[in-house]
Amino acid sequence: GEDVEQSLFLSVREGDSSVINCTYTDSSSTYLYWYKQEPGAGLQLLTYIFSNMDMKQDQRLTVLLNKKDKHLSLRIADTQTGDSAIYFCAVLTTDSWGKLQFGAGTQVVVTP
Amino acid sequence: NAGVMQNPRHLVRRRGQEARLRCSPMKGHSHVYWYRQLPEEGLKFMVYLQKENIIDESGMPKERFSAEFPKEGPSILRIQQVVRGDSAAYFCASSPSVRPNTEAFFGQGTRLTVV
Repeated sequence: GEDVEQSLFLSVREGDSSVINCTYTDSSSTYLYWYKQEPGAGLQLLTYIFSNMDMKQDQRLTVLLNKKDKHLSLRIADTQTGDSAIYFCAVLTTDSWGKLQFGAGTQVVVTP
Repeated sequence: NAGVMQNPRHLVRRRGQEARLRCSPMKGHSHVYWYRQLPEEGLKFMVYLQKENIIDESGMPKERFSAEFPKEGPSILRIQQVVRGDSAAYFCASSPSVRPNTEAFFGQGTRLTVV
């Protein structure tokens, strides 16, 4: 099955860039997602990327995909205190439509 | 469109009782997914349902857990004879299609505490 790994914690100063990393094992992963979870809340889809792309930018968010190394990253530019949350990487594979495999989440703490 | 609605938001059950978690998908969505989030962990897939059908239940524990999505009404995740290890947040997601470029919208979750 798919293994999705993330670092558990990231501390960043307000105004700096945050980079959250994720690695996965299944080479048939076709869609890769980043979700944000605030305390006591559900998951909010931030962005996703198809495996035939290597970069996607959406306002302050940049997703980079290195398919050879099976490495995905999310960069948040100009990090704000409202960006403090847990960020989950999730992947979808061709043999499991509808079944997302999640990493354990990276807790991002933004300090003033 | 009210979004994916889960209720209750918080549920406390004593060991041995039954827990029923409800999920009303977004209007027009016929695909429902249940995930479980244990403390300090990511979400783990449990089951994928379409109306009146279980499509993939590979993540469901073999005993005490069941799920349904009837023709009318919400999807129900049922846990019989709950144990402390069932304490977790249970999230439901829905999508209009199984096609992966369709976003699955998540509910706020039901936080189950077994005492």
